[in-house]
Amino acid sequence: QVRLKESGPRLVQPSQTLSVTCTVSGFSVTSYHVSWVRQPPGKGLEWVGAIWKGGSTDYNSALKSRLSISRDTSKNQVFLKMNSLQTDDTGTYYCAKHGRGSYDYWGQGVMVTVSS
Amino acid sequence: EIVLTQSPTTMAASPGEKVTITCRASSSVSYMYWYQQKSGASPKPWIYETSKLASGVPDRFSGSGSGTSYSFTISSMETEDAATYYCHQWSSTPFTFGSGTKLEIK
Repeated sequence: QVRLKESGPRLVQPSQTLSVTCTVSGFSVTSYHVSWVRQPPGKGLEWVGAIWKGGSTDYNSALKSRLSISRDTSKNQVFLKMNSLQTDDTGTYYCAKHGRGSYDYWGQGVMVTVSS
Repeated sequence: EIVLTQSPTTMAASPGEKVTITCRASSSVSYMYWYQQKSGASPKPWIYETSKLASGVPDRFSGSGSGTSYSFTISSMETEDAATYYCHQWSSTPFTFGSGTKLEIK
């Protein structure tokens, strides 16, 4: 059974670094790409970046300078790190598995608030 | 970056009514993808590769289009279809989403 679960802090102070972990089961991160998508409260979806099954990455150009996506294949985990957080980084962060032509499985998301 | 312009932003439909949502891309994309999201839940894949229904999606839903113009249709609105729908392209990075269409039941 495919599952993705995000974990991380619910509250981050401005200018600090966000670290979120996506733990997957039911598939290998070396066999499928994984993307991060975020959603500010009451707003739409924004693609953050992806780590391809081969290990390379692509990032949203607006976030690229602050963003790093990596993985631990032994633990089947994908990591998102974003530094210099601001209040408009507040939102729900999802990881999603790339499947047959779409993101076929999503995690439940982790709501992150950037506030002092 | 390919910008996806979705319309309308919000709409309400009566049960049995036909619903159409459009998504225009600023540059040509190979396919369009659509996701359904209900309040408090993660998005769900709904239509992939422009016109293929994701697993479990009723056949009253359909998608069509090519190049820069795509559409999403519900042939006969049902109460359970009330949700926000997003179009999405992953023809080129950065991948982008439309701003969403909030569909309500009248």
